[in-house]
Amino acid sequence: EAQVTQNPRYLITVTGKKLTVTCSQNMNHEYMSWYRQDPGLGLRQIYYSMNVEVTDKGDVPEGYKVSRKEKRNFPLILESPSPNQTSLYFCASSSGIYYEQYFGPGTRLTVT
Amino acid sequence: AQRVTQPEKLLSVFKGAPVELKCNYSYSGSPELFWYVQYSRQRLQLLLRHISRESIKGFTADLNKGETSFHLKKPFAQEEDSAMYYCALPGTYKYIFGTGTRLKVLA
Repeated sequence: EAQVTQNPRYLITVTGKKLTVTCSQNMNHEYMSWYRQDPGLGLRQIYYSMNVEVTDKGDVPEGYKVSRKEKRNFPLILESPSPNQTSLYFCASSSGIYYEQYFGPGTRLTVT
Repeated sequence: AQRVTQPEKLLSVFKGAPVELKCNYSYSGSPELFWYVQYSRQRLQLLLRHISRESIKGFTADLNKGETSFHLKKPFAQEEDSAMYYCALPGTYKYIFGTGTRLKVLA
């Protein structure tokens, strides 16, 4: 089944404790993105990747890192999480920017 | 600057009434525009894109370049249409979403 998976689905952590949210797709897509969804602000793009080893900042990259060592995986790293990073995070992939994006199920992160 | 505006945070309509979810964009060039839908506790999924000109679940959207709009319409709302709707615009490399409109269809 073609899909985008994210892990974990739920995470509660404390300020400053490094964490990684994994994202994997099995559709051989080149374009992958991370978004955060906040009430009243919609979806905002954190980082995107056009292909392996090619990543760039979206609109809200501060406090986040990503890597794209393999085509299928695009992990999101929070080196030192802070409470303002409490949010619902979505990973997405597509054949290219002008194509349909396929979303993961979301990761709800709470930083206390 | 590339931008997508959805002016309504919440739209409530009665079952059987027409629905119009507004989307305005700012983009130099010919835009590709999408509508995504997010049902309760589910992931976002594509509803329709303007280039395909399809009607999905009774929804349609027409790109109006003069008014820079891509409003989503349905003639008769159903309760199962209650969801969050996002208008989206692929930029040069970035993907831009509007802030979303929550549609509530009342029985």
